Amino acid sequence: DTGVSQDPRHKITKRGQNVTFRCDPISEHNRLYWYRQTLGQGPEFLTYFQNEAQLEKSRLLSDRFSAERPKGSFSTLEIQRTEQGDSAMYLCASSLTGQLGSPLHFGNGTRLTVT
Amino acid sequence: QKEVEQNSGPLSVPEGAIASLNCTYSDRGSQSFFWYRQYSGKSPELIMSIYSNGDKEDGRFTAQLNKASQYVSLLIRDSQPSDSATYLCAPSGTGSARQLTFGSGTQLTVLP
Repeated sequence: DTGVSQDPRHKITKRGQNVTFRCDPISEHNRLYWYRQTLGQGPEFLTYFQNEAQLEKSRLLSDRFSAERPKGSFSTLEIQRTEQGDSAMYLCASSLTGQLGSPLHFGNGTRLTVT
Repeated sequence: QKEVEQNSGPLSVPEGAIASLNCTYSDRGSQSFFWYRQYSGKSPELIMSIYSNGDKEDGRFTAQLNKASQYVSLLIRDSQPSDSATYLCAPSGTGSARQLTFGSGTQLTVLP
């Protein structure tokens, strides 16, 4: 179990640019989540995949955000035309399917700064 | 009303004392509850999970759940300076995603 891996750890970009983040979940986990966290707040749910299917998206998720999980393995989160308000820590988490909710295992996150 | 509310911090306790962290949630259908610890600049790490009413102990940590009152708590006994962190309460959702909804966290400082 190598844990959830995220890349890059830090990204600084100029407003209006596009950015893409990658997440590699724990290999046997079929559920993958993206969260966003700003200073002083708890993580906020963005979207969820079960295997390769994106099954849920937060209503807060702007259409500038898109996520994919081809082949049910790694996932990417792209933000187009970044805005300063997108500056946050983007967290990826994975879990196993279970009848009850399973705990999420988080990666180290990607910290995005939009200048 | 927020979906998950945690006692406002910051909370300071002396080393060796008991730290008590509280959380209330609004979704009566939540079945699973998790406590995460988050050090500054790091990602959340799972420290406790609880699924049934009552107490669950793991080392110095005890989670307590009362579904009727929609209340969950975390006690940390013999608090250590290394316990200084933000503690996040997270009940699971009831939809197919079962995503966790996080509170804003309680910042705990254990004073040597």
